[in-house]
Amino acid sequence: AQTVTQSQPEMSVQEAETVTLSCTYDTSESDYYLFWYKQPPSRQMILVIRQEAYKQQNATENRFSVNFQKAAKSFSLKISDSQLGDAAMYFCASSGNEKLTFGTGTRLTIIP
Amino acid sequence: DAGITQSPRHKVTETGTPVTLRCHQTENHRYMYWYRQDPGHGLRLIHYSYGVKDTDKGEVSDGYSVSRSKTEDFLLTLESATSSQTSVYFCAISDFEMADEQFFGPGTRLTVL
Repeated sequence: AQTVTQSQPEMSVQEAETVTLSCTYDTSESDYYLFWYKQPPSRQMILVIRQEAYKQQNATENRFSVNFQKAAKSFSLKISDSQLGDAAMYFCASSGNEKLTFGTGTRLTIIP
Repeated sequence: DAGITQSPRHKVTETGTPVTLRCHQTENHRYMYWYRQDPGHGLRLIHYSYGVKDTDKGEVSDGYSVSRSKTEDFLLTLESATSSQTSVYFCAISDFEMADEQFFGPGTRLTVL
């Protein structure tokens, strides 16, 4: 069975600063993907970034980047130049066997 | 945005009544999923489908059944709703060839009194 752990239930960051959200996972799959999803107050689940486990290079999408440490099974999300619109719940997820396993989420607050 | 709709968006019902939630997609994706979201638990998989009439259980399937008679529709049924099934329910779709990425519907808030 896969597990995904997000140990920070809540985080806050000053607007324009950088914040890192942590995620660790455990999987027996040899080929898998990792994801960060954002859920704003509208409740819509939005894909932020995706990482293929076989790629050593860390994925980046504009202000969002990941630090993928495969041996440590760690997959953290860094948000640079935080904006008010980044306030949301963030979920880490891992794929395997046609399914996704989600962490319990981190609520990110942006302080103006 | 992926074409996924859920109906109803909100529902209040009483304990013991049957409830059916509908997920409809216009993307022709093979895989469809039902999750529930509860505080402190993230999203947990209830059931999923990998094709018409092909379904399988997730980690929290007790008390739920599903059906998929057409590619575009995936129904979730609570045969006899209980208060513990009060939750937000999300449908998701996936095209397996697209690296397991899932696209989510807007969610249904279900309250069982």
